[in-house]
Amino acid sequence: AQKVTQAQTEISVVEKEDVTLDCVYETRDTTYYLFWYKQPPSGELVFLIRRNSFDEQNEISGRYSWNFQKSTSSFNFTITASQVVDSAVYFCALGQAGTALIFGKGTTLSVSS
Amino acid sequence: DVKVTQSSRYLVKRTGEKVFLECVQDMDHENMFWYRQDPGLGLRLIYFSYDVKMKEKGDIPEGYSVSREKKERFSLILESASTNQTSMYLCASSLHEWEKLKFETQYFGPGTRLLVL
Repeated sequence: AQKVTQAQTEISVVEKEDVTLDCVYETRDTTYYLFWYKQPPSGELVFLIRRNSFDEQNEISGRYSWNFQKSTSSFNFTITASQVVDSAVYFCALGQAGTALIFGKGTTLSVSS
Repeated sequence: DVKVTQSSRYLVKRTGEKVFLECVQDMDHENMFWYRQDPGLGLRLIYFSYDVKMKEKGDIPEGYSVSREKKERFSLILESASTNQTSMYLCASSLHEWEKLKFETQYFGPGTRLLVL
């Protein structure tokens, strides 16, 4: 069965702290895709990143970085020097051919000034 | 940039009313999706469509129907709204997966917060 677990329900940090959001997935397939989305208070889900199962290279985009480790079935997301604008709900999701996109329950990040 | 728009950000309806939620995308995507999002339950797929006039049930289709008469537009219909359909509704679109084993990125609209009284 496919599953995405985001064990952290809520995280609170102070501005400029680094924060890592955990994502653990389960699948038996060898070909799959992993995603992160951000949902600010306005409600729209904003696509952040996509990774396929054959690409374990870590990704850095500005203050955001992603660590994909197949050995531990994890796809963790780190925000460096967090800002108030990073406050949102973050979703990790798993996509495989022939199935619907499977979302984790989300992690609510609150960044205070 | 992919643009997915939804007809209303907020909607208040009465129990028993027929409700239409409209979604339009401008990227010529084949696939379109309707999800609902509830606290503690996350996002759940209601229906999706991979072509005009085609539809497939998702995980929770009961009480809903959909219509896709044009490629860019996907409507969600609540035939007789009930209070348990109070929720956030999110529409998404993606390219069709022409390659076997591929999974395309879904792009979401701003959401419609529906309150059924």
